[in-house]
Amino acid sequence: RKEVEQDPGPFNVPEGATVAFNCTYSNSASQSFFWYRQDCRKEPKLLMSVYSSGNEDGRFTAQLNRASQYISLLIRDSKLSDSATYLCVVNGAAGNKLTFGGGTRVLVKP
Amino acid sequence: ETGVTQSPTHLIKTRGQQVTLRCSSQSGHNTVSWYQQALGQGPQFIFQYYREEENGRGNFPPRFSGLQFPNYSSELNVNALELDDSALYLCASSLVGTSSYNEQFFGPGTRLTVL
Repeated sequence: RKEVEQDPGPFNVPEGATVAFNCTYSNSASQSFFWYRQDCRKEPKLLMSVYSSGNEDGRFTAQLNRASQYISLLIRDSKLSDSATYLCVVNGAAGNKLTFGGGTRVLVKP
Repeated sequence: ETGVTQSPTHLIKTRGQQVTLRCSSQSGHNTVSWYQQALGQGPQFIFQYYREEENGRGNFPPRFSGLQFPNYSSELNVNALELDDSALYLCASSLVGTSSYNEQFFGPGTRLTVL
């Protein structure tokens, strides 16, 4: 079983719609959680950290469920520019390695 | 932009050769991590350097080695290159010790092709 698992998609989303997707992680001792965005052939860019109480950044909302060991990302009012691969990332210990999921591809269409 | 730079941008090598990739961390950051990203997959952790010492290593063979310099820049060295080493190599810098989240910021990567 992979440490961090994501639905690879693609999620085909009409412009203006809402899309949500999850990732699951296997290490219950994981301490930090992130969503990164990666455009084709570019480096991953930090989208948002995920806090225990859940957090929102504009049109993006992230949730953490420690009991079920999953993280979610919701995108409201999708824009064409939201088309990207979204990487779920877990950090097991302060300052140590990030473990990435395989990514969920989102395609926003007019 | 993150302020993390990597060189070279692209590189083509043949099997058995050796390669050195370089990374300059973001100003003020003290930690550099290296990742390998094969096509269609998420990045895989190779190792991390903190205060010029290896601070954690992923499931990579010893022919993957690294260095961190006093200015916090870093090198990744790969010996005896194999075809499967073809990938995007990413370095990420962070500032360990300031928060529990330790956000990492990535450079643009070096795309290595092994023929």
